[in-house]
Amino acid sequence: AQSVAQPEDQVNVAEGNPLTVKCTYSVSGNPYLFWYVQYPNRGLQFLLKYITGDNLVKGSYGFEAEFNKSQTSFHLKKPSALVSDSALYFCAVRPNTGGFKTIFGAGTRLFVKA
Amino acid sequence: GAVVSQHPSRVICKSGTSVKIECRSLDFQATTMFWYRQFPKQSLMLMATSNEGSKATYEQGVEKDKFLINHASLTLSTLTVTSAHPEDSSFYICSARGGQGANEKLFFGSGTQLSVL
Repeated sequence: AQSVAQPEDQVNVAEGNPLTVKCTYSVSGNPYLFWYVQYPNRGLQFLLKYITGDNLVKGSYGFEAEFNKSQTSFHLKKPSALVSDSALYFCAVRPNTGGFKTIFGAGTRLFVKA
Repeated sequence: GAVVSQHPSRVICKSGTSVKIECRSLDFQATTMFWYRQFPKQSLMLMATSNEGSKATYEQGVEKDKFLINHASLTLSTLTVTSAHPEDSSFYICSARGGQGANEKLFFGSGTQLSVL
């Protein structure tokens, strides 16, 4: 079955330190990969996506993600965390089968402490 | 940027009543919208794909007669939870497919918290 795993329920990091939010997936073929962020009482906001090309993708708010095909991972990173980055982050995968159906991970709550 | 408006943001209803949730694309036309259900500390679960002018496509295990979806125009899709029961209490989120080509992506509404008493 196709799935997306975010192994950490919560990630805690001090402001100014680098952060990593992990994501691995089990989807056949060459899927499209996404990261979304959700703030309280808000819908999901698009951060970045990987379709093809350079394995390091840069997105909104200074976030980037690294695609690793052999490990089927797409970890979200940021060199220096801000308190305002505290939110719920979702990794998502869209199988490259012509449709637009997207599979989401369970989400990882990022808490950045001042 | 593209905006999706979802209304209401919160609704409390009695068991047995029906609740309608609206999802509007404000500044773009969306031929395809999606409805998700999100349980606490769990992922978004796709319920159905809503296509303008045609019947919605439901995911396995989702009751079509309970979760009625209507996509009558290019900017509006509605989800009606019929004869709601406490187990239907959840956070419902819609998204709309927008943009062109490489910029095509999903735009999400802010969600509706449904509480059935």
